[in-house]
Amino acid sequence: QQPVQSPQAVILREGEDAVINCSSSKALYSVHWYRQKHGEAPVFLMILLKGGEQKGHDKISASFNEKKQQSSLYLTASQLSYSGTYFCGTAPNTGNQFYFGTGTSLTVIP
Amino acid sequence: DGGITQSPKYLFRKEGQNVTLSCEQNLNHDAMYWYRQDPGQGLRLIYYSQIVNDFQKGDIAEGYSVSREKKESFPLTVTSAQKNPTAFYLCASSAGGHNYGYTFGSGTRLTVV
Repeated sequence: QQPVQSPQAVILREGEDAVINCSSSKALYSVHWYRQKHGEAPVFLMILLKGGEQKGHDKISASFNEKKQQSSLYLTASQLSYSGTYFCGTAPNTGNQFYFGTGTSLTVIP
Repeated sequence: DGGITQSPKYLFRKEGQNVTLSCEQNLNHDAMYWYRQDPGQGLRLIYYSQIVNDFQKGDIAEGYSVSREKKESFPLTVTSAQKNPTAFYLCASSAGGHNYGYTFGSGTRLTVV
C-alpha cells in the first residue's frame, strides 16, 4: 500500500527542472508532498485533493491524476535550497490509512 | 510561534530499558502521530491518535506504547520488547484527517548502546 516514487534519486544543476512521480495501487482521495533535508524533519509543501487539481508553491507545483492514481511534483529552475528528499503521502478513497512514499533524493549542484 | 516540540534530540538506551520520547504541540491540532525513520528509508507509522484518550496502532506498533491524556501531549514509550529500536523518531500533528498537511517535530534520534 506504500506509494512508489520515481526516480529514486536525481542530480540537477542549478536552473534545471525536475519531475518526481508518486504512484499508488489504490484509488486516492488526497496526496501530500513533503521535503526533508538531511537530519531534519519533513516540511509540508502542499496537498492535493480528489478532483484532479493542480497547485503551485513558488517554483514548485504538483498535479494529481485520479484515473492514473498518481501525482507528480514539478520543480522548475531549481535552486540549491531545493536539495533534500521528497516524500509523497497518500490517503486512499476508503479507509483511514495514510502512507508515505519511498522517497526521492534530489541534489542540486552549482 | 506554534509548533511541535520533541525531546530529547538524542537519546541512548541500554539493552532491556524502557525509554519515553516526549512530543508536545501548541497548534491545537486534534490528530497526532508517531513515525519511525530508518536510514535511507521512508516513514513508517507506529501509533496515531485522533482525539484525547484514544489511539490506534499503526503498521509497526509492536514494542511501543503511547498515551494521549492531554490534547497537547502524545508521548511514545519504546519498551524492551522492541528489539531494534535504533532509529529517528518523528512526531507529527494535523488539524484532523488527511485533508490537512502534517506538521512535524524536529525528531529524536534513539541509539541502543
